[in-house]
Amino acid sequence: GEDVEQSLFLSVREGDSSVINCTYTDSSSTYLYWYKQEPGAGLQLLTYIFSNMDMKQDQRLTVLLNKKDKHLSLRIADTQTGDSAIYFCALLWDAGNMLTFGGGTRLMVKP
Amino acid sequence: EAGVTQSPTHLIKTRGQQATLRCSPISGHTSVYWYQQALGLGLQFLLWYDEGEERNRGNFPPRFSGRQFPNYSSELNVNALELEDSALYLCASSRYTGSQTMNTEAFFGQGTRLTVV
Repeated sequence: GEDVEQSLFLSVREGDSSVINCTYTDSSSTYLYWYKQEPGAGLQLLTYIFSNMDMKQDQRLTVLLNKKDKHLSLRIADTQTGDSAIYFCALLWDAGNMLTFGGGTRLMVKP
Repeated sequence: EAGVTQSPTHLIKTRGQQATLRCSPISGHTSVYWYQQALGLGLQFLLWYDEGEERNRGNFPPRFSGRQFPNYSSELNVNALELEDSALYLCASSRYTGSQTMNTEAFFGQGTRLTVV
């Protein structure tokens, strides 16, 4: 099955850029997603990218996909304290129509 | 427009009991997905329903079951509860266009936190 790995923790200062990384093993995924989870809450879809794209930008968010290295990243520009949360990457398996999630990266933004 | 709603928000059960969790999808969405978020285990896919049918199932024992109603809402039932079933159960919904239902966006509810004591 698919393995999706994320680093556990990232700490940045307010105003800096944050880069959250995700690696995966199976290249057959068609869609790759980033979700945000705040304490005690569900998952909020931030953005997604098709597997035939290399980059997608959406306001402060930039998603980069390196299919050769099976590496997905989420860059948050001008990180704010409100961005503190857990960020999950997720890959869609079309065959089973289910998302496989990474373990999540806890982003802490220091003022 | 209302998002995905789940009830109850918290549920406490004793070992061996049954739990029923409910989910109402976004209007117009026909697919409902259930995920378990247990401490230390991340998010695990449980079930996918579309048009009242179970379309896919994750690697969970048969005591995890569910159904989808004609109005596309869904129930997740967990029988013979075990302590390790304690988790946040998340429901998501999306439109289904035949092949790649999550081809754009799947929206998640706030979850039901199930505690088994």
